[in-house]
Amino acid sequence: DTAVSQTPKYLVTQMGNDKSIKCEQNLGHDTMYWYKQDSKKFLKIMFSYNNKELIINETVPNRFSPKSPDKAHLNLHINSLELGDSAVYFCASSPGLAVGRQFFGPGTRLTVL
Amino acid sequence: TQLLKQSPQFLSIQEGENLTVYCNSSSVFSSLQWYRQEPGEGPVLLVTVVTGGEVKKLKRLTFQFGDARKDSSLHITAAQPGDTGLYLCAGAFTSGTYKYIFGTGTRLKVLA
Repeated sequence: DTAVSQTPKYLVTQMGNDKSIKCEQNLGHDTMYWYKQDSKKFLKIMFSYNNKELIINETVPNRFSPKSPDKAHLNLHINSLELGDSAVYFCASSPGLAVGRQFFGPGTRLTVL
Repeated sequence: TQLLKQSPQFLSIQEGENLTVYCNSSSVFSSLQWYRQEPGEGPVLLVTVVTGGEVKKLKRLTFQFGDARKDSSLHITAAQPGDTGLYLCAGAFTSGTYKYIFGTGTRLKVLA
C-alpha cells in the first residue's frame, strides 16, 4: 500500500556516469516533485510537474532532467554525475500545485565516488 | 531569497519536558505545514495551518500559525523518546509564481 515509492533506495556510482531514479505515486495526485536534501538536512525543491507539465524548475544544472510519462510517475535522470551531486533525493506528490501538503517517498541516497 | 528560519537548530531534552520550535519568515504564506522526518525516511506531514492565528492540536503537539501568517510554532508537551526526529516547517506562497519552501529544520532528541 505504498503511497509514494522510489527506486533505488541506494545508488553508488562513479563520477561521470549517468543514472536514473524512478518515482511512482498511487494517491491519484496531480502534482509531483523532486527534492534534494543535503548533508545539513536542508530540503530544496528541484522540479515540480503538474499533470505531466513542468511547473517549477529551480536553478538546477541541466545535467538533471526530469521526465513524467504520466501523472503517476516522475523520473529523474542525471548525466555526468559529479561529487557534489551526492545527497538524498526525495520524490513527493500533492493533490494539486496550490495544495501545500505533500507526501514523500522514502528517498534515494546517491553517493558519487 | 525567501527563507524559513527555524529555531532552535538542535534540541536535546529529557523525557517529560516541554519544548517549543519556531518557524519564522518575512514572507506571508497562504498555508504552512509541519513535517517530521526520521533517519532513512522521507518527511511525514503532521499538520497544515491556513488561517492567521489558527491553533491545531495533535495529541501532545500544538501548532500555531501567526496572525500575520509569517511565522508558526510547534509546542510539544511532555516529550517522549518517540518524538525524536527532524522537524521541518514548510510554506506555500506566491511571488510571481507559486513557491513552496522548507525551513532550515530542528533536530530534536528526547532522552529516556
